[in-house]
Amino acid sequence: DTGVSQDPRHKITKRGQNVTFRCDPISEHNRLYWYRQTLGQGPEFLTYFQNEAQLEKSRLLSDRFSAERPKGSFSTLEIQRTEQGDSAMYLCASSLEASGSPYEQYFGPGTRLTVT
Amino acid sequence: DQQVKQNSPSLSVQEGRISILNCDYTNSMFDYFLWYKKYPAEGPTFLISISSIKDKNEDGRFTVFLNKSAKHLSLHIVPSQPGDSAVYFCAARPGAQKLVFGQGTRLTINP
Repeated sequence: DTGVSQDPRHKITKRGQNVTFRCDPISEHNRLYWYRQTLGQGPEFLTYFQNEAQLEKSRLLSDRFSAERPKGSFSTLEIQRTEQGDSAMYLCASSLEASGSPYEQYFGPGTRLTVT
Repeated sequence: DQQVKQNSPSLSVQEGRISILNCDYTNSMFDYFLWYKKYPAEGPTFLISISSIKDKNEDGRFTVFLNKSAKHLSLHIVPSQPGDSAVYFCAARPGAQKLVFGQGTRLTINP
């Protein structure tokens, strides 16, 4: 399977703990995006990378959130000192941004985070 | 500030009939629009897209229409099948940028 993969699929953690999620994009894609989705809402943008450079961060991304894409391949999203409001589905997407290429982003299955 | 709106939270359609899902947007900078389908516990799956220079794009049973003057787009599914039951999201982007999503419409196809 050459789609976007995310790990873990589910994470239950206690308030105050740190969690880290991983995303492996489609191999030839140079852009990687993180979104968050809560119940009844559409996905909301968090941040994105072009290769290893983080180009934009949403104001939703508080100081407790950090994302990396060290070698321009996989990415990690870390949440420090989790709060109950962080409970959500965290989605990763990737795309190939090049002249003349389509703009479609392809999503992974998501990581469901529950903070108790 | 909801820049992309799907005003119908749910839609129920008879199998074999046409499903029409609607989406409105406010940002004139959006120049590319996409529809995604989402099943529970899965990520969104890309369905079809349209550039702002077009007013229609068709792919099999799916057709997307764009009315730029009204800032409105719609997704038509003909004929509707039970497997089409899912949540559908409209998304838009201003050039090579992040996607802005609507709230979604839950489509139920009744046999």
